[in-house]
Amino acid sequence: DTAVSQTPKYLVTQMGNDKSIKCEQNLGHDTMYWYKQDSKKFLKIMFSYNNKELIINETVPNRFSPKSPDKAHLNLHINSLELGDSAVYFCASSQPGSDTEAFFGQGTRLTVV
Amino acid sequence: GENVEQHPSTLSVQEGDSAVIKCTYSDSASNYFPWYKQELGKRPQLIIDIRSNVGEKKDQRIAVTLNKTAKHFSLHITETQPEDSAVYFCAATIGGSASKIIFGSGTRLSIRP
Repeated sequence: DTAVSQTPKYLVTQMGNDKSIKCEQNLGHDTMYWYKQDSKKFLKIMFSYNNKELIINETVPNRFSPKSPDKAHLNLHINSLELGDSAVYFCASSQPGSDTEAFFGQGTRLTVV
Repeated sequence: GENVEQHPSTLSVQEGDSAVIKCTYSDSASNYFPWYKQELGKRPQLIIDIRSNVGEKKDQRIAVTLNKTAKHFSLHITETQPEDSAVYFCAATIGGSASKIIFGSGTRLSIRP
């Protein structure tokens, strides 16, 4: 009965490769997010989707391409991976409005070597 | 643009003492202020939140205060215990159809036995 689940949990890959991280939520939320958490623990918003439509793109390189096939899924595809992409990526969901909690997935630790 | 600043970045307190973490936000349209706790290797999880029409909220050993005029909000943990050791994030949201949750930079709280 996991609310927000993302896979894989760990991902180790070489520079230049293309990889995807998948995220699914069963909470019926309309809004989903991707956050990047670097080694200093900063949580930076990358994208926000509302009902399958891109709402926010926070100056993320276009090597990162989110895809939302339906409102319960928001996948993140990364092309031409670079060393600086190494981080923990969190998917989250919430219901639009001004006062709703964001529920996070367990995170994907991406290591680019 | 929207910004949330959080201080201090690290905090060490003696077990049983109180801990205070402070945040400021820039966008006067922000109206919901959640606090998240992230234990080592885990996902961020909501511990308490406050809405813009409330000045203070308490839940057992945790309390949050909000000063909308000054755009300040704070987390207070009393009678700290070892399990309170974690990274704490404040956040501010802007509502409507384009919900956006902006996080502070995090505070690493350590409880000394």
